[in-house]
Amino acid sequence: DQQVKQNSPSLSVQEGRISILNCDYTNSMFDYFLWYKKYPAEGPTFLISISSIKDKNEDGRFTVFLNKSAKHLSLHIVPSQPGDSAVYFCAARALGGDMRFGAGTRLTVKP
Amino acid sequence: EAGVVQSPRYKIIEKKQPVAFWCNPISGHNTLYWYRQNLGQGPELLIRYENEEAVDDSQLPKDRFSAERLKGVDSTLKIQPAELGDSAVYLCASSDLAGGSYNEQFFGPGTRLTVL
Repeated sequence: DQQVKQNSPSLSVQEGRISILNCDYTNSMFDYFLWYKKYPAEGPTFLISISSIKDKNEDGRFTVFLNKSAKHLSLHIVPSQPGDSAVYFCAARALGGDMRFGAGTRLTVKP
Repeated sequence: EAGVVQSPRYKIIEKKQPVAFWCNPISGHNTLYWYRQNLGQGPELLIRYENEEAVDDSQLPKDRFSAERLKGVDSTLKIQPAELGDSAVYLCASSDLAGGSYNEQFFGPGTRLTVL
């Protein structure tokens, strides 16, 4: 039962352009959403999060948008840099519940 | 500040052999998690500890997997006997609060297990 879905396994963008990574979820009890970034041979590292009471959270070049009615969130990276190349995991949790991860999207930013 | 430490980083064993993974969480973090990440998938929770108590082990295959967190600090995850399908990356994470808090989880680098 995959409650968090990332339907694009990979994404390639040009340096300086915007990267948009998408995530859908099915569990309406989720009220906190996170994005993690993972480099090869390392564990995932926290990138940015958003509570369900908001529809947008911004941190530097990273912005997460939440559309609760569509059960959809997205991560925007602008401008994209080669160092952003990594696997990005979307995760969600309900209060008191465990974190559920999507399968990840591999982002490649070309110089 | 040191991050979550895991060892070994890589392990290759033959099926039916036992294997153990070790995790040292970030100092002061009372919540510890073990995840399994299969190839091409996201991490999936196996067990969560709050201090030395396993508060969620519903996803742990108890016929062959066991875990312990003596003294509420380091933790060990064991598989005995290992099967081919156990090949995966085993991730340990820690946080300083759980349950009603949304505190960030910090992940270790993982142990990549290959069962031949």
